[in-house]
Amino acid sequence: GNSVTQMEGPVTLSEEAFLTINCTYTATGYPSLFWYVQYPGEGLQLLLKATKADDKGSNKGFEATYRKETTSFHLEKGSVQVSDSAVYFCALSPFSGGYNKLIFGAGTRLAVHP
Amino acid sequence: GAVVSQHPSWVICKSGTSVKIECRSLDFQATTMFWYRQFPKQSLMLMATSNEGSKATYEQGVEKDKFLINHASLTLSTLTVTSAHPEDSSFYICSASPLPSSQSDTQYFGPGTRLTVL
Repeated sequence: GNSVTQMEGPVTLSEEAFLTINCTYTATGYPSLFWYVQYPGEGLQLLLKATKADDKGSNKGFEATYRKETTSFHLEKGSVQVSDSAVYFCALSPFSGGYNKLIFGAGTRLAVHP
Repeated sequence: GAVVSQHPSWVICKSGTSVKIECRSLDFQATTMFWYRQFPKQSLMLMATSNEGSKATYEQGVEKDKFLINHASLTLSTLTVTSAHPEDSSFYICSASPLPSSQSDTQYFGPGTRLTVL
């Protein structure tokens, strides 16, 4: 079946530190992969996505590369800010190019301190 | 743009009563709306997908008679938890898409509704 596993949090970093949040997936076929972010009191927002192998999604300094060989989509940012504190969700859509349904990981809470 | 609201943001009810949660797309027409349930420290689980003017499609294991979904207009979908029990206590999140589910993977999420059943 389809599933997403992401590292447990919370992740606590100092400002300007390097961030990695691991995400691996299990899927049949060729899924699309997503990272969503949820800031306190707000709904989930799409952060970035990749629709095929070796694609790199990027937004707001965050990057993730679709690695089919390792079934991974790790989120990285070179220098985090306090404003990046949020919960990050990795997700997949089983059918690339069109939506079937989103399957989410459990979420990883990031706390960035000044 | 692309704002989705939910009302109420939290609700407490007695066991056996019904609760209605509203999901509205504020600045776009939502052809498709989705309802998710999230348990503490767990993933969002898709409950059902609804298209305006037609019956919702429920995921396996979700009781359609317990979780009634209505998508009567392009800006409003409602989830009614009927005869709620403590095990229905959870965080319910809706999302909306301006396009049919077969054409787009874009979803805009509401902030969620916390339901507590006593």
